[in-house]
Amino acid sequence: GESVGLHLPTLSVQEGDNSIINCAYSNSASDYFIWYKQESGKGPQFIIDIRSNMDKRQGQRVTVLLNKTVKHLSLQIAATQPGDSAVYFCAEILRQAGTALIFGKGTTLSVSS
Amino acid sequence: DVKVTQSSRYLVKRTGEKVFLECVQDMDHENMFWYRQDPGLGLRLIYFSYDVKMKEKGDIPEGYSVSREKKERFSLILESASTNQTSMYLCASSSPGQGDTDTQYFGPGTRLTVL
Repeated sequence: GESVGLHLPTLSVQEGDNSIINCAYSNSASDYFIWYKQESGKGPQFIIDIRSNMDKRQGQRVTVLLNKTVKHLSLQIAATQPGDSAVYFCAEILRQAGTALIFGKGTTLSVSS
Repeated sequence: DVKVTQSSRYLVKRTGEKVFLECVQDMDHENMFWYRQDPGLGLRLIYFSYDVKMKEKGDIPEGYSVSREKKERFSLILESASTNQTSMYLCASSSPGQGDTDTQYFGPGTRLTVL
């Protein structure tokens, strides 16, 4: 079946470390992927996106890598800060679902000082 | 900046009541979505709409209906609320073709408790 999932439900890092959050997807028809950050009590916020014709995209302190061969997506956060503590969701667009996103269950990132 | 607002942050209703959750976006987006978010289950799509008066079922439409009479407003209706509809409800909007992305922008969420 179709699914989007994250490898680990929680990730704990020290301030200043680099964080890597992973996501696996199963539908090879997906052509667009998004990472969202959700802080406690707030709605998800867009972080970065990537189309299936790309392998890598960089933003400010964040990088998304897409490996279509193994259907794997990752979010790298450089020099992680306490303000990065949140739940991170990956999401994919399935062509047969139009623009409706399919979300993973989320990884909780905890950053300690 | 895109702004998506939801009518209530917290709502408490009784079993059997009719519940209306309102969502408004100010960016003239064509697409609007309603999700519910539950621990361990992530975000699940209830309904979405591509245009005024148009609606499509998502993954879990049972027990819900929607209304889109105006482009900026998308309402989620619980005809007869049940305790298993206690959840966080998130509204989102997007506009296809903006920068060739389908990024969805979310509201702050409504935490609904059904007693």
